[in-house]
Amino acid sequence: DGGITQSPKYLFRKEGQNVTLSCEQNLNHDAMYWYRQDPGQGLRLIYYSQIVNDFQKGDIAEGYSVSREKKESFPLTVTSAQKNPTAFYLCASSIGVQGDSEQYFGPGTRLTVT
Amino acid sequence: GENVEQHPSTLSVQEGDSAVIKCTYSDSASNYFPWYKQELGKRPQLIIDIRSNVGEKKDQRIAVTLNKTAKHFSLHITETQPEDSAVYFCAACWGGWGKLQFGAGTQVVVTP
Repeated sequence: DGGITQSPKYLFRKEGQNVTLSCEQNLNHDAMYWYRQDPGQGLRLIYYSQIVNDFQKGDIAEGYSVSREKKESFPLTVTSAQKNPTAFYLCASSIGVQGDSEQYFGPGTRLTVT
Repeated sequence: GENVEQHPSTLSVQEGDSAVIKCTYSDSASNYFPWYKQELGKRPQLIIDIRSNVGEKKDQRIAVTLNKTAKHFSLHITETQPEDSAVYFCAACWGGWGKLQFGAGTQVVVTP
């Protein structure tokens, strides 16, 4: 699986700790996204970035932070302020910055916080 | 903002039968409607999409229809096969930049 990668696949953390999820793409895509997937709730947008050094909040940004220092990389930090961080996190990228570009998803990271 | 509702949440069909999943959206400005398929343990993948200037689009056994007046769109799978078993998500693109708003998903189970 090339294209867009996420690591690690499974992540366990204690409550109160910040944790950073990795997302890398070699597709030369401009736009990158982070989604959270919970059972029965579909995919909810956390943050997105259309260009290096710029990013925007999505629908559920509280308790999360991101950076976009390189075109290929868009790491997500889940902070201790996120009240319910246990979830499946998906990163995606698209060649265009408009919403009507196909989004390519990574394999996801399942985060468990106890 | 945009709100996308998807029904049903689960769908069981016999192999060879058709499956239909329906979505409604709230923002009349939305103009792009993709469908993603997520097999168990795998990443979502785009299977078909439709834009607002088209009423129907087909790709082999899959078709999508769009009714802009009623603000709903549907995914039709004909001659279902076991490999069609997956979770299907509809989405609508809204806003100036065009963020995707996803439905809650439909678990489709195709039984032999």
